[in-house]
Amino acid sequence: NAGVTQTPKFRILKIGQSMTLQCTQDMNHNYMYWYRQDPGMGLKLIYYSVGAGITDKGEVPNGYNVSRSTTEDFPLRLELAAPSQTSVYFCASSTGELFFGEGSRLTVL
Amino acid sequence: RKEVEQDPGPFNVPEGATVAFNCTYSNSASQSFFWYRQDCRKEPKLLMSVYSSGNEDGRFTAQLNRASQYISLLIRDSKLSDSATYLCVVNAWGGSQGNLIFGKGTKLSVKP
Repeated sequence: NAGVTQTPKFRILKIGQSMTLQCTQDMNHNYMYWYRQDPGMGLKLIYYSVGAGITDKGEVPNGYNVSRSTTEDFPLRLELAAPSQTSVYFCASSTGELFFGEGSRLTVL
Repeated sequence: RKEVEQDPGPFNVPEGATVAFNCTYSNSASQSFFWYRQDCRKEPKLLMSVYSSGNEDGRFTAQLNRASQYISLLIRDSKLSDSATYLCVVNAWGGSQGNLIFGKGTKLSVKP
């Protein structure tokens, strides 16, 4: 019973590099989300999607892009990584209750 | 006023104690309210939804006060395993699932 799966779990990037955080869910949920959580802070919504082909910005979208070509997958793209993007990233899917992946810990040096 | 505010704690309590957390929210149009639990370096997991009439799940009781715009979580007979950060979650407006706002969390530490 996989639920929401995120990869990679850990990554170190150099400033200016790009990468994609992968997220997939097997619960056939329409709603999917990307959050970031900085130490001692609440989760901040980056982007969300209400279904395949539809995405929208959250509270902190700058420096990120998303796509939703299928119901299952919702990758998050970081372009030109900056130290301010050092954080823990959580993907989630929802039917009201949020189901989270285990998180991806990203460090930008 | 911040959208969702919680006392960050930490709340340090002995086993068996009763502890209560409050969370205030700023948008009177909010319709959905939740408490999530987050263990250290883990993902948040749903603890309880909060209903207008209040609801109870074992040792946990959640209540909503719309007039004063706060929700509460009461934990009775605290266990060591209750040690975690408790996140208050409110939808920002209407019924849109895309606008769930998280508080920063209240840290609970239950001591032997």
